[in-house]
Amino acid sequence: KQEVTQIPAALSVPEGENLVLNCSFTDSAIYNLQWFRQDPGKGLTSLLLIQSSQREQTSGRLNASLDKSSGRSTLYIAASQPGDSATYLCAVCPNSGYALNFGKGTSLLVTP
Amino acid sequence: DGGITQSPKYLFRKEGQNVTLSCEQNLNHDAMYWYRQDPGQGLRLIYYSQIVNDFQKGDIAEGYSVSREKKESFPLTVTSAQKNPTAFYLCASSIGGQSGELFFGEGSRLTVL
Repeated sequence: KQEVTQIPAALSVPEGENLVLNCSFTDSAIYNLQWFRQDPGKGLTSLLLIQSSQREQTSGRLNASLDKSSGRSTLYIAASQPGDSATYLCAVCPNSGYALNFGKGTSLLVTP
Repeated sequence: DGGITQSPKYLFRKEGQNVTLSCEQNLNHDAMYWYRQDPGQGLRLIYYSQIVNDFQKGDIAEGYSVSREKKESFPLTVTSAQKNPTAFYLCASSIGGQSGELFFGEGSRLTVL
């Protein structure tokens, strides 16, 4: 069964810092990988979707990379802001089925 | 605006009662999903539907039921058979299966008293 791990579980950084969130998965046979943001008590917001044939995707200050062979993805946030404070989740879509496998998330706090 | 609407946002239930959570989308998506989120755990799939009048069990379907009579609607019933129903429930949709980008509603928090 696909296992998705996110490290660290929590992270606190000062405003303006660049940071990297990590996501690893055990089965490299994936169709795509998605990064989401979740604010407390809210639903998930899709940030970036990387297809298995892609190496990275960018949206504004966010850049997500994918290394399928090593089972890793990173989410890079440039020039962090207090508004970036949230939980970030990654989810892997396997080739074999329709069920996304989610990590437990990284809780990010950006302090002014 | 296009999106997914879940209601109610908060729901309290006595033990032994069935409750139904509503999920409506106006994104014209074929596929819809129900997830459960518990503190410290990843999201777990309860049921999904790829097309009207068809749905499949996810990883934790026991004690839940769904229907898909209209493309826009995918209600979830939490039955009295669900042993630990207190959780945050999230509905999602995508254009064509979970291989597409997933869009989520704002969630419904169910508390069993």
